[in-house]
Amino acid sequence: EAQVTQNPRYLITVTGKKLTVTCSQNMNHEYMSWYRQDPGLGLRQIYYSMNVEVTDKGDVPEGYKVSRKEKRNFPLILESPSPNQTSLYFCASSERGQGTYNEQFFGPGTRLTVL
Amino acid sequence: AQKVTQAQTEISVVEKEDVTLDCVYETRDTTYYLFWYKQPPSGELVFLIRRNSFDEQNEISGRYSWNFQKSTSSFNFTITASQVVDSAVYFCALSEPGSSNTGKLIFGQGTTLQVKP
Repeated sequence: EAQVTQNPRYLITVTGKKLTVTCSQNMNHEYMSWYRQDPGLGLRQIYYSMNVEVTDKGDVPEGYKVSRKEKRNFPLILESPSPNQTSLYFCASSERGQGTYNEQFFGPGTRLTVL
Repeated sequence: AQKVTQAQTEISVVEKEDVTLDCVYETRDTTYYLFWYKQPPSGELVFLIRRNSFDEQNEISGRYSWNFQKSTSSFNFTITASQVVDSAVYFCALSEPGSSNTGKLIFGQGTTLQVKP
């Protein structure tokens, strides 16, 4: 089954404790992206990756890191989480980032709470 | 600048009523795509429809219909004979596939629809 998976689905942590949210897709998509969802703001892009070893900042990258060492995986790293990073996070993938209609397939979401 | 506005933050209706969710967008590109997603209480995003900028035909899928009007930059979503299961947050989104784009979807703020029995 074609899908995007995220782990963990729920996480409660404390300020400053490094964490990683994993994202994996099995559709051989070149493009992957992370969004965060906050009330009244919709979803906003954090980072994206056009292909392996190619990543770039989205609209709200502060406090996050990503890596793309393999095509299928795109982990989101919070080196020192803070309470303002409490949010619902979505990973997404699509065949390509440009020149297409860019239908994105979303993971199930990770609800993160930073105390 | 690209922007999607969903002016209705929350809508509450009684079952069987029709309801329209508004979406207004701004874009500088002539080629773009518009989307609607549903987010039920369980939290996942469910894709509902994609429409490209060259196709202004309205679309109907069961109780759902979409009205795309380029003249007013709107892509409104109507649910006919609403049901309790329609209760969710609905997002409108814009994509610009041009070479200068980052590939992101630009989302509206979302409209929370509550359908009461």
